[in-house]
Amino acid sequence: NAGVTQTPKFRILKIGQSMTLQCAQDMNHNYMYWYRQDPGMGLKLIYYSVGAGITDKGEVPNGYNVSRSTTEDFPLRLELAAPSQTSVYFCASTYGIGGQQYFGPGTRLTVL
Amino acid sequence: QKEVEQNSGPLSVPEGAIASLNCTYSDRGSQSFFWYRQYSGKSPELIMSIYSNGDKEDGRFTAQLNKASQYVSLLIRDSQPSDSATYLCAVYSGYSTLTFGKGTMLLVSP
Repeated sequence: NAGVTQTPKFRILKIGQSMTLQCAQDMNHNYMYWYRQDPGMGLKLIYYSVGAGITDKGEVPNGYNVSRSTTEDFPLRLELAAPSQTSVYFCASTYGIGGQQYFGPGTRLTVL
Repeated sequence: QKEVEQNSGPLSVPEGAIASLNCTYSDRGSQSFFWYRQYSGKSPELIMSIYSNGDKEDGRFTAQLNKASQYVSLLIRDSQPSDSATYLCAVYSGYSTLTFGKGTMLLVSP
């Protein structure tokens, strides 16, 4: 199993550009999550999904959108990138409520 | 709002010593507790989970949970330089999500 994969690993965006961060898992997990992590800070939840077709906002959803059309994929869309979105983004998944979350390798995004 | 608090550190210990990392949480209904290790530039990886009061041991790691006092701790025995990392405490309190603390940086000197 590849586990949780994320692409790209690094990206530089200009202010106002848009992009999609890709996340996929091959563990047949229903629950998937997007976090951002700023230097010296913990993980802040952006969006999560409890199954295909179901998504919900986390702590910091503004400026982002998600979709979940399949169990495997959970892309994160940034519209009109801003410098405040410079961060490291992690995708995670878990098999069930309250279970261990498995993390992808992360995407380091810089908005200039 | 659910909160998970950790001392940001750094916690510095000499090689071979016991490192003690602490975490407190605000939601009394919390059910599952996790310790993740995160090396610089890498993603978090689970090292311990604990669900009931008491101690849980796995090799050099021991997790301790006290629900009455709302704290969970992680002890690392015989600390090694390779244990130098940030340790994140995470708590599950329902609603399908985990709440993470900001992490404690551990530095183990040879």
